[in-house]
Amino acid sequence: KQEVTQIPAALSVPEGENLVLNCSFTDSAIYNLQWFRQDPGKGLTSLLLIQSSQREQTSGRLNASLDKSSGRSTLYIAASQPGDSATYLCAVTSSGGSYIPTFGRGTSLIVHP
Amino acid sequence: EAGVTQFPSHSVIEKGQTVTLRCDPISGHDNLYWYRRVMGKEIKFLLHFVKESKQDESGMPNNRFLAERTGGTYSTLKVQPAELEDSGVYFCASSLDVASEAFFGQGTRLTVV
Repeated sequence: KQEVTQIPAALSVPEGENLVLNCSFTDSAIYNLQWFRQDPGKGLTSLLLIQSSQREQTSGRLNASLDKSSGRSTLYIAASQPGDSATYLCAVTSSGGSYIPTFGRGTSLIVHP
Repeated sequence: EAGVTQFPSHSVIEKGQTVTLRCDPISGHDNLYWYRRVMGKEIKFLLHFVKESKQDESGMPNNRFLAERTGGTYSTLKVQPAELEDSGVYFCASSLDVASEAFFGQGTRLTVV
């Protein structure tokens, strides 16, 4: 059974810092890994999708990397802004037959002006 | 193009009552997922449809929960009778196929009192 862990659980930083959010998973047999953002009281917004054959994906100030063999992904946020404040969730879709995205608990990020 | 839409956005019901949540996936998406987030916990998988068929319902908590997807379009999730522990946010997601990006709705916040 796939288990996903996100570290840290919470992070508070001043504006302008570069950030790294971590996601680890126990079963390296994956289809893909997806990073989401959730604002308070809102749904999940997809940020980046990395297929198992890929090493990284970039979108604007966001860069996500994937190391399947070590069961890790990182989400790098460059030059953080107060608008980046949200909960960031990692979801891993395993290739073992169920094809169900499994979520971590998320990292709650606050960026101070 | 419309995203995944969920109705209602909020629902407050008394213990023992019945509630039906609805999810309209993105048109053409065969895969539809239901998830639930109980306060303080991670987002947990409930059920996966491929078109109108239940592909995986291993996450359904008990037989008070019934999901349907008639005609392979929209889906409903009925809770009957509702219990206090059913409170949480219910998310629906859809994707073109299991390897594709999953898109989430805004969620339905269910409160059982």
